[in-house]
Amino acid sequence: EPEVTQTPSHQVTQMGQEVILRCVPISNHLYFYWYRQILGQKVEFLVSFYNNEISEKSEIFDDQFSVERPDGSNFTLKIRSTKLEDSAMYFCASSDWTSAYEQYFGPGTRLTVT
Amino acid sequence: AQSVTQLGSHVSVSEGALVLLRCNYSSSVPPYLFWYVQYPNQGLQLLLKYTSAATLVKGINGFEAEFKKSETSFHLTKPSAHMSDAAEYFCAVSGQDRDDKIIFGKGTRLHILP
Repeated sequence: EPEVTQTPSHQVTQMGQEVILRCVPISNHLYFYWYRQILGQKVEFLVSFYNNEISEKSEIFDDQFSVERPDGSNFTLKIRSTKLEDSAMYFCASSDWTSAYEQYFGPGTRLTVT
Repeated sequence: AQSVTQLGSHVSVSEGALVLLRCNYSSSVPPYLFWYVQYPNQGLQLLLKYTSAATLVKGINGFEAEFKKSETSFHLTKPSAHMSDAAEYFCAVSGQDRDDKIIFGKGTRLHILP
């Protein structure tokens, strides 16, 4: 069964450093998303992406964040200058019209900012 | 605007007993509703979804949920709990546009007592 994959599974970085989280969505999907989950809290929407541009972004998704689909398979989330409060689990998701708006989630990348 | 309220951050049931996890939603547009499960240190797995078809929805692992518009509820049930059901459960809502974000509840941790 096709699945969304994410790398790395765990990323440790120092405050102020740039990180890039990578996702490979399901191959025929057209809509891509990033969510995050701070430890012990609910999953929060960050951004949605379609046709090579951002469809919607949350208040969390400020100028420190960016997304890109650099090629036909990867979807990346970049945090330019990480803060301690960016420590969270980051989930990528993808969906397609034919899946009745069901978003398929990847296993997540745990980002730890020290 | 959309939101989800899950009643009870922790629920404990005995093995073999009925599982009932409560979820109420608020949505200004016709909603799609979801239940996701998250096992420790894992990603989000879709249990079931309501997408305007049958109001009683059956999912994986013996779970089901009933959409009640008059009560704005989408409670999750399972007739007989199993030890393997111990996990965090998230109720979620989205609109019906293709790239609508998913809004998650705060989650309910289900404990199964032997």
